[in-house]
Amino acid sequence: NAGVTQTPKFQVLKTGQSMTLQCAQDMNHEYMSWYRQDPGMGLRLIHYSVGAGITDQGEVPNGYNVSRSTTEDFPLRLLSAAPSQTSVYFCASSLDGVEQYFGPGTRLTVT
Amino acid sequence: RKEVEQDPGPFNVPEGATVAFNCTYSNSASQSFFWYRQDCRKEPKLLMSVYSSGNEDGRFTAQLNRASQYISLLIRDSKLSDSATYLCVVNMDRGSTLGRLYFGRGTQLTVWP
Repeated sequence: NAGVTQTPKFQVLKTGQSMTLQCAQDMNHEYMSWYRQDPGMGLRLIHYSVGAGITDQGEVPNGYNVSRSTTEDFPLRLLSAAPSQTSVYFCASSLDGVEQYFGPGTRLTVT
Repeated sequence: RKEVEQDPGPFNVPEGATVAFNCTYSNSASQSFFWYRQDCRKEPKLLMSVYSSGNEDGRFTAQLNRASQYISLLIRDSKLSDSATYLCVVNMDRGSTLGRLYFGRGTQLTVWP
């Protein structure tokens, strides 16, 4: 099993550009989530999904959209990138919504 | 007030030392508790769950005190490979929002030879 995969590993965007961070898992987990990690802030939940077709907002959802058309994939869309979205983004999946398996992360810089 | 608060560290200890990390959480209805480990520039990985009766995994011991809303992690006989950031994580099940995890900011540990 590949576990949780994320692409790209690194990305630089200009303010106002949009892009999609990809996340996929091959463990047949129903629960998937996106976090961002900033220095001194810890991980904060952006959006999560408890199954295909079901998504909900986390602590910091503004500026991000998600969809869950399949069990395997959970992409995160940045609608109009802002410097405040410079961060490390982690996707995670879970069988039961409790123990999380994280992907390797995407390092995003918005200039 | 942040949902999960941790000792900020950093902790710098010699090999073989015993070190303890503390964590408090704000929501008394919290259901599950964990310690995750995160190496530099890597993803977090589950270290151990924390059970009400306390639990041990080799050199690592986790304790939970629900009355004080307090979690601890004790590492005995520290190894160089224990150097990492340790994240306290709490699952606050709020009815329909099953499985929302709240992470502390992490405590950085450096073990020196």
